Order: sequence, then C-alpha cells, then structure tokens
Amino acid sequence: QKEVEQNSGPLSVPEGAIASLNCTYSDRGSQSFFWYRQYSGKSPELIMFIYSNGDKEDGRFTAQLNKASQYVSLLIRDSQPSDSATYLCAVNPNYGGSQGNLIFGKGTKLSVKP
Amino acid sequence: DTAVSQTPKYLVTQMGNDKSIKCEQNLGHDTMYWYKQDSKKFLKIMFSYNNKELIINETVPNRFSPKSPDKAHLNLHINSLELGDSAVYFCASSQGSPTNVKTQYFGPGTRLLVL
Repeated sequence: QKEVEQNSGPLSVPEGAIASLNCTYSDRGSQSFFWYRQYSGKSPELIMFIYSNGDKEDGRFTAQLNKASQYVSLLIRDSQPSDSATYLCAVNPNYGGSQGNLIFGKGTKLSVKP
Repeated sequence: DTAVSQTPKYLVTQMGNDKSIKCEQNLGHDTMYWYKQDSKKFLKIMFSYNNKELIINETVPNRFSPKSPDKAHLNLHINSLELGDSAVYFCASSQGSPTNVKTQYFGPGTRLLVL
C-alpha cells in the first residue's frame, strides 16, 4: 500500500513567519512530488512540483526533496493570512500503468495569524 | 475561460437514485481523472482515462462508471446511490511530459449529498 503521510495540524504561525510543511512517502521509487493548496470549499490548486533532490524556489515558496529520507517539504516565507488553507502533498508513484495516479496525503491545515 | 469545468456544482438526491456528473476540459490534455474527497477531506483517486481508455480503476464499487465520449470529456455515472457516496467529487486533467511529471488541474468540484 503506497502511502503519503502529513501532520494534519492545525499549524499556526504568526504573519511574516516561515511556515514549514512536511510530508513523507512510503514508495522509494516515487519520482515526482507535488504541493497543492486547498481553501475551504474550493478545489485543490497546484503550488509547486519537484522531482530532483534539493530545493526548488518559486517566489515565497520553496519545495525541498530528500529521496534518501523519502521526505518532501514546503516552506512558505513571509506567511500571510491569505496563505491560511490546507496544503496537500501528492506523490506520483513510478510503477506500471499507474503513472499519473497521484497519491495524496490527508493534508496539513495552516493558519496564519495577523 | 474555465480550464476544467464540472456540472452540477451541487447535487442532492435520494438513496437508490442514479445520477451523473459531467466534466469538460479545454486544455487539450490527454488524461482526465475523477477523485472523491470525503468528509475528512481525504482526496482519493477513483478513475483516470487516457485517450479514451481506462488506465486506472481503483477499488471503487461497480456502481460507479466513468464514461468518456471524447478526449475533452469524462463523465461519472453513479447507480443506486448510497449514503456513503456523499462527498465532493473532483474532476482533473493532465498532460504528460518527457519527465513524466503529470501536473493535474482540478475542476471546482461537485458536492453530492445522498439523503
């Protein structure tokens, strides 16, 4: 059973701080990793994807991947109240006909306090 | 321009009824998906279609059947609805790449309530 684990939170940070969201996955062969943001009552929207070890930066967001530790994280710098949402980690397991079959974690709820 | 659209947005129905949810994407993607998000917000894939062929069929009841009239549409038909089918159903689409990174774009969701 392929699994993606996230701390459900809520994670509460003050405005302007760095929010750190973590995700671990069980399938060592996984190749690509995604972070989605989902506001309450809305659909998931893609924030970032990463498939190489190391860091990938996009504006205030940085995704970090460590395949040896089977760990992927998302850092949000200068957190804003508008960042308050549930963040979903998703993993593309690299096996058979399931390419593209993203496996989602249960999400971490982030609350940024003004 | 809505990239991935779903209808209806809300669906309230009685147990035992048959219902359909429609999905359309105008992104030119070749793969479409249906996800179910339960009351605990856990998102789980149900089906995906690639070039009109079912390539993933997770362990969902056979009361659920995806139907794809063309590459831009993937509808979800549900027979004999049960209380446990109440959830939000998301359609998504994606386009492959040489690195096999499949970024999926989601529709707005259909909120199904079975009474």
